[in-house]
Amino acid sequence: AQSVAQPEDQVNVAEGNPLTVKCTYSVSGNPYLFWYVQYPNRGLQFLLKYITGDNLVKGSYGFEAEFNKSQTSFHLKKPSALVSDSALYFCAVRDPTLTGGGNKLTFGTGTQLKVEL
Amino acid sequence: DTEVTQTPKHLVMGMTNKKSLKCEQHMGHRAMYWYKQKAKKPPELMFVYSYEKLSINESVPSRFSPECPNSSLLNLHLHALQPEDSALYLCASSLTAERYNEQFFGPGTRLTVL
Repeated sequence: AQSVAQPEDQVNVAEGNPLTVKCTYSVSGNPYLFWYVQYPNRGLQFLLKYITGDNLVKGSYGFEAEFNKSQTSFHLKKPSALVSDSALYFCAVRDPTLTGGGNKLTFGTGTQLKVEL
Repeated sequence: DTEVTQTPKHLVMGMTNKKSLKCEQHMGHRAMYWYKQKAKKPPELMFVYSYEKLSINESVPSRFSPECPNSSLLNLHLHALQPEDSALYLCASSLTAERYNEQFFGPGTRLTVL
C-alpha cells in the first residue's frame, strides 16, 4: 500500500519569509515522490520530483524539496515566499514495487498556502 | 508545444443529456489520464490509457465512457449523469505510463449536472 499525508490544511507566511509545506509518506520500498501546485480554477502544475539520487531536489519557480528517508518526509521549501505562490499544494507518492500497470499516484489532501504582504 | 488542452472549459448538462469532454496533447506522450476533482480535494483517478489502450479503470460508473482515438486525443463521453458528478474534470498526460514520469495536467472542464 502507499499513502501520503499533508498534516497542515493551511500554511500562512509573510512575503519574503521562507516557507515550508510538509509531506510524509508510507510505502513498502523506496518511493517516487512528486509535488504539484494548483492555482484557482486551474489544473495541477508539476513542480518537482524525487526518484533517486541527491536528497535535495530543485524544481520550478525557486521551489525545492528534501527527501528524508529516516523521517519518511518530502517537505517542500522556498527561501523567500511571494504573494503569487499562494495556491493549493499537493504532495503525491508512487510505490515502484506495487504491481499493476499505469502510473497511479496517491495524492495528499492538499495544503493551502497563503502568502501575505 | 508543452501543454495539455481541454475543451470545453465549462459545461452544464441535464441528467438526460449526452455530452463529451475533449483533451489533446502534442508532446508525444503515450499515456493519458482522466481525473475527477471536487473543490479543495485531491484529484481522483478515473482512467488511464497507455499506448491508446485502456490500462486502468478505477471502477468508474458506466455513465462515463472514455475513448482514445489516437495518441494525441482523449475523450470522455458522458451520459445520464447525476448531480453528484458535478466536478472539475482534469486530463493529464505523461511520456509513458512508467511510474517515475511526471504528469502534465490540462486546465480542466468544470462540469455542472442539473
